[in-house]
Amino acid sequence: DAGVIQSPRHEVTEMGQEVTLRCKPISGHDYLFWYRQTMMRGLELLIYFNNNVPIDDSGMPEDRFSAKMPNASFSTLKIQPSEPRDSAVYFCASSSLPNTEAFFGQGTRLTVV
Amino acid sequence: DAKTTQPTSMDCAEGRAANLPCNHSTISGNEYVYWYRQIHSQGPQYIIHGLKNNETNEMASLIITEDRKSSTLILPHATLRDTAVYYCIVSVATGQTGANNLFFGTGTRLTVIP
Repeated sequence: DAGVIQSPRHEVTEMGQEVTLRCKPISGHDYLFWYRQTMMRGLELLIYFNNNVPIDDSGMPEDRFSAKMPNASFSTLKIQPSEPRDSAVYFCASSSLPNTEAFFGQGTRLTVV
Repeated sequence: DAKTTQPTSMDCAEGRAANLPCNHSTISGNEYVYWYRQIHSQGPQYIIHGLKNNETNEMASLIITEDRKSSTLILPHATLRDTAVYYCIVSVATGQTGANNLFFGTGTRLTVIP
């Protein structure tokens, strides 16, 4: 398996534009997590899914953020409209069971100018 | 909402054992101790986890004290590629399914010196 795949690796966009980040989890993993990493706040959990169903989105900062998982092999994190303070590295991770290791993707570095 | 305390930074000579401590004095009986590391510009990488007993795998050993209030991650023969930020995490079961919520603190920046 190629691991968790995220795209794009880098995204530069203007303030106010819509941004969509994509994630393909490891096949067979039932849990998918979206994290955000900044210098100020470190790694923060935004939302996680179990069997494609969002379980906990309490970490999503604002209504401008939304996440979907239409099937077991694909998830998106959308920011609309984007703001400069959304600039960060966004990581997707997946795991097979609770209390097992989570595998992280390489991240998407988002810059909003 | 930090549940662990780690030193900010540590140095280790190449080829020597790196011992990274972590305090988690408020750990609950059903919470696991996880260790991850993050090499610059990469996603976090799982290292090892444990509940009560000491654990060992191909990457590291995890020593958990009997009272479970602290643990030590041991990299037996550190290499330059082990330079990274190491996160000690106490898992928090959340939601209906009990899946992990991995809370990453600030971690320990380990520098392996040639």
